[in-house]
Parts: sequence; structure tokens; C-alpha cells
Amino acid sequence: EVQLVESGGGLVQPGRSLRLSCAASGFTFDDYPMHWVRQAPGKALEWVSGISWKSGRIGYADSVKGRFTISRDNAKNSLYLQMISLRPEDTAFYYCARDMNPYTSGWYVLDYWGQGILVTVSS
Amino acid sequence: QSVLTQPPSVSGAPGQRVTISCTGSSSNIGAGYDVHWYQHLPGTAPKLLIYGDYNRPSGVPDRFSGSKSGTSASLAISGLQAEDEADYYCQSYDNNLSGVVFGGGTKLTVL
Repeated sequence: EVQLVESGGGLVQPGRSLRLSCAASGFTFDDYPMHWVRQAPGKALEWVSGISWKSGRIGYADSVKGRFTISRDNAKNSLYLQMISLRPEDTAFYYCARDMNPYTSGWYVLDYWGQGILVTVSS
Repeated sequence: QSVLTQPPSVSGAPGQRVTISCTGSSSNIGAGYDVHWYQHLPGTAPKLLIYGDYNRPSGVPDRFSGSKSGTSASLAISGLQAEDEADYYCQSYDNNLSGVVFGGGTKLTVL
């Protein structure tokens, strides 16, 4: 069974940093591109970042470019999102998600999602 | 403003059929990129309903169907059930943004 479990969320002051982690199990993590998606309170789903299976291709939404960094450790079956210079508008549930198509640098469809982790940016 | 445009809400009585539209542009749906649909209850994991315009993952009832034409796509739900009440999102890829894009979401109310 595919499982994605996010951790590292919480309350943080504006301007500070936070690192989210996503532990993957139930599939060959190395083979699949992965993504972070967020949902702010009362807002729509928003794609944050994606990383290809070998980390050769990385992309970000304009809203987080230059502040967030996605990475993966295939030996640890883990996905990360390093967030710096956090703003109140970054407050959201953050979801880790698997891309359906393995062995590709392209991004397609997100077939498995974690339960999400809440990040609150407030003083 | 979401790149893909959906109606904020739709409603229908149990047993009825509803459709949710998703309108994009020449840099996403119109460029030939596939459209995918998710069902979401806030605070829970979104669930993939339709991928590749019209394909259903294993376990998704055939009451859910997808279609695409030009720069738009649609999700149809027939035989509405109370458990279908949720938010629905379309998703595609945009080559101008070089990233995944979502619609603004549609809240389905079962009357």
C-alpha cells in the first residue's frame, strides 16, 4: 500500500524558516517524480513544487520561487521542502504527492497524496 | 486567479446528473495537455477521480466520467449520492508556467 506521511509543520513567525519532510513507503520511491501542493484556508489547491525521479528537473510556482527548495533523498525514501523567508500567505495545509508516471522528467498527474501537514505563519 | 477556470459551485438532487466545467487556454488544455480531476474534502488527502481526460483509476465508480474539447474539459457525475458532496478540482500542465496548474475548485452540494 502506498503511503505518504508529511511531518515538520507547525507555527512559525514571519521571516523564519521551516523544513517539511515526506516519508514514502509501499512503492519504489526512486522511480517516481514527486510534488508538494498546498491549500490555504478557504482557497484552492495550489501546486508548489515538483522534482523528477533523479532530481534532474525541478520546478516551482512563482509564489515560492527563490524562497522554497525541494529535494529528495532516494536512499531514505524521503521528499523535503525547505522554506525560508516565510510569509503569512504561506499559511496552508501542505501535501506531498506522487506523480503517476515513473522514469520520467515530465509532470503528469498526482495519483497518491499524503494527509497533509499544517503550516501556520504568524507572529 | 487560477489558471484553469471552474464554476465556484454546482448542486443537484440525489440521482441527478451534474457537470463541472474546466476552462483553460492555449498554453495548457489547448496545447494538448491532459486534464485530471480530483475529489477533495478539506483537511483530507485529495483523491484522483479521472486522469488522462477520461480514464478512471481502479475503484472509482463509472458514475464519474471526463471529457475534453479544445481548451475546455468537463467532469460529469451521474446518479448523485450524498457522499459525492465535496470539492472538485481539475488539473493540467502549463507550458508557459512550466508547471502543474489547478482549477479554482468547485463545491458540489447534494440537495
